[in-house]
Amino acid sequence: QVQLQESGPGLVKPSGTLSLTCTVSGYSVISDYWWSWVRQSPGKGLEWIGEVFHSGATYYNPPLQGRVTISVDTSKNLFSLILTSVNAADTALYFCARATRQRLLDFWGRGTPVTVSS
Amino acid sequence: DIQMTQSPSTLSASVGDRVTITCRASQSINQWLAWFQQKPGQAPKLLIYKASNLQNGVPSRFSGSGSGTELTLTISSLQPDDFATYFCQQYSAFPWTFGQGTKVEIK
Repeated sequence: QVQLQESGPGLVKPSGTLSLTCTVSGYSVISDYWWSWVRQSPGKGLEWIGEVFHSGATYYNPPLQGRVTISVDTSKNLFSLILTSVNAADTALYFCARATRQRLLDFWGRGTPVTVSS
Repeated sequence: DIQMTQSPSTLSASVGDRVTITCRASQSINQWLAWFQQKPGQAPKLLIYKASNLQNGVPSRFSGSGSGTELTLTISSLQPDDFATYFCQQYSAFPWTFGQGTKVEIK
């Protein structure tokens, strides 16, 4: 069964860069699925961040466009999130997930908390 | 963006109760809606997809219905393992959006 595991620093300084990795096991990222990032915060609830296909194609949520980059490493079977110029509003629990062609998020990781603070 | 309004935000119920949670969309999403269960420290779990289809391995006490702008999740007889937070996701139109969640608490 597919499993996803988020990893990365739990604390990022304001104006800094948030970098997270999602390691996929039990399934190849080279498949007919999109690989997604979602975040959850008390203030904004659940927010879809963006997605990547194994070809490198990406889609991002417009409010984050310009600050977010999602990439895939097919040799390591993982995908990554980079979010620049972070501020307190980016403090959240970050999830990675697998999405079908229809964008149904069918498998998720447990999430990793990220706090933006000096 | 399609706004998803989920209600109630909190629900107090007892084991054996029938529970209904509603998601209302700001525009029609046909049946492109999924329901998830979330417990602290665990990965969100897909329960229902395309409004009414039960994901493999999910107990039959969970069901989904509706289409267009009003869709519901029903738990026919609440079990101890069902006390959790539930949220919906629309995948009809980009960007994909979520309901705010419903916490089901023990009464």
